[in-house]
Amino acid sequence: NAGVTQTPKFQVLKTGQSMTLQCAQDMNHNSMYWYRQDPGMGLRLIYYSASEGTTDKGEVPNGYNVSRLNKREFSLRLESAAPSQTSVYFCASSDSKRTSGLYSEQYFGPGTRLTVT
Amino acid sequence: AQRVTQPEKLLSVFKGAPVELKCNYSYSGSPELFWYVQYSRQRLQLLLRHISRESIKGFTADLNKGETSFHLKKPFAQEEDSAMYYCALSTLLEYGNKLVFGAGTILRVKS
Repeated sequence: NAGVTQTPKFQVLKTGQSMTLQCAQDMNHNSMYWYRQDPGMGLRLIYYSASEGTTDKGEVPNGYNVSRLNKREFSLRLESAAPSQTSVYFCASSDSKRTSGLYSEQYFGPGTRLTVT
Repeated sequence: AQRVTQPEKLLSVFKGAPVELKCNYSYSGSPELFWYVQYSRQRLQLLLRHISRESIKGFTADLNKGETSFHLKKPFAQEEDSAMYYCALSTLLEYGNKLVFGAGTILRVKS
């Protein structure tokens, strides 16, 4: 199993350009997430999808849109990129069911390093 | 408010020395806490969770509800422990859960 995959690995955009970050998982997980990682701020949740067909905002959704294309795929779109969106983006997935009273761990992709100039 | 605080950005220790990475949380419910680790050029991965009470790679972490802390400890640091460590709090959503992360602590183990 590949786990969680992300494309592209690196991207440079100019201010105002748009792009879509792709994420796919092969673990049959219900829930998928998009985080951004910035120095000194840890990972912050942008959007999540608790199950196929649903999406919800996280902590920092402004400037982003998402699509849960099917159970496997969850994409993140920047409509008009800004320098403040320079970051490393991580996709994650998890099984939203509770087992023995616990939520399962989240599995992360390798990340996409995005620079907006 | 749900918050995770890791007060140290960088912790530098010598090989063989004890390590303690601090984590404090704020959460009104019953917390589920995790430590995630990111080694150089690798993806973020789960190190341990509080409920398991197990030792992974020599690391342990005890949940102290009175002090709202979940510090990560290892008695003897190894060079391969050098990495970024994140403490994370699982919070409930309508369906499923999400993670709230601390800012992370870089651990450097010197030879």
